[in-house]
Amino acid sequence: QSALTQPPSASGSPGQSVTISCTGTSSDVGGYNYVSWYQQHPGKAPKLMISEVNKRPSGVPDRFSGSKSGNTASLTVSGLQAEDEADYYCCSYAGSSNPWVFGGGTKLTVL
Amino acid sequence: EVQLVESGGGLVQPGGSLRLSCAASGFTFSSYSMNWVRQAPGKGLEWVSYIGWNTNFIYYADSVKGRFTISRDNAKNSLYLQMNSLRVEDRAVYYCVRDVNYALDIWGQGTMVTVSS
Repeated sequence: QSALTQPPSASGSPGQSVTISCTGTSSDVGGYNYVSWYQQHPGKAPKLMISEVNKRPSGVPDRFSGSKSGNTASLTVSGLQAEDEADYYCCSYAGSSNPWVFGGGTKLTVL
Repeated sequence: EVQLVESGGGLVQPGGSLRLSCAASGFTFSSYSMNWVRQAPGKGLEWVSYIGWNTNFIYYADSVKGRFTISRDNAKNSLYLQMNSLRVEDRAVYYCVRDVNYALDIWGQGTMVTVSS
């Protein structure tokens, strides 16, 4: 199972919006509406930010939103804040026998 | 508070074995599927293994199949990962992760496994 493809880096100034893409195949991203996104600060465990393409768990700011078109999912962070600087990973369900495939991660820098 | 706490990591020689444990609290452990996910130093996340809530389904990544064994004890609210024939490339932080509605919603703090001679 190949990893999902994310850009290695993204950046934006405070208050701006940034979108991170995540490209897979019809066997994962395109085949299921089960894309999730995780935020990871240095030395910390990942944190679920988006599930099922566009659902925000309780406590996640509405500045974070998700979408999907075909085999590509996207995470948009609006109104960038300094604390949004972190690594972001996408993940897709890929079928019962090999359920989870991750993207390589995107380092988001708030300029 | 919903919490997962891993233990059992450490330094082991290539070819050696380790058993990781994960203690769950704050939720009904027996109702949830669980996973192990690892992260090599400076690298991304890699799914390792999955176990259904009643052990009805168990899956492994190709990279660990035949060497690692996942198990759980619902009476003890605990998840385990028996790692045999360890390789240098198994060096990573290993996270215990809860699985709900096709997302990985609760992560432990991780335990570091180092494989080196």
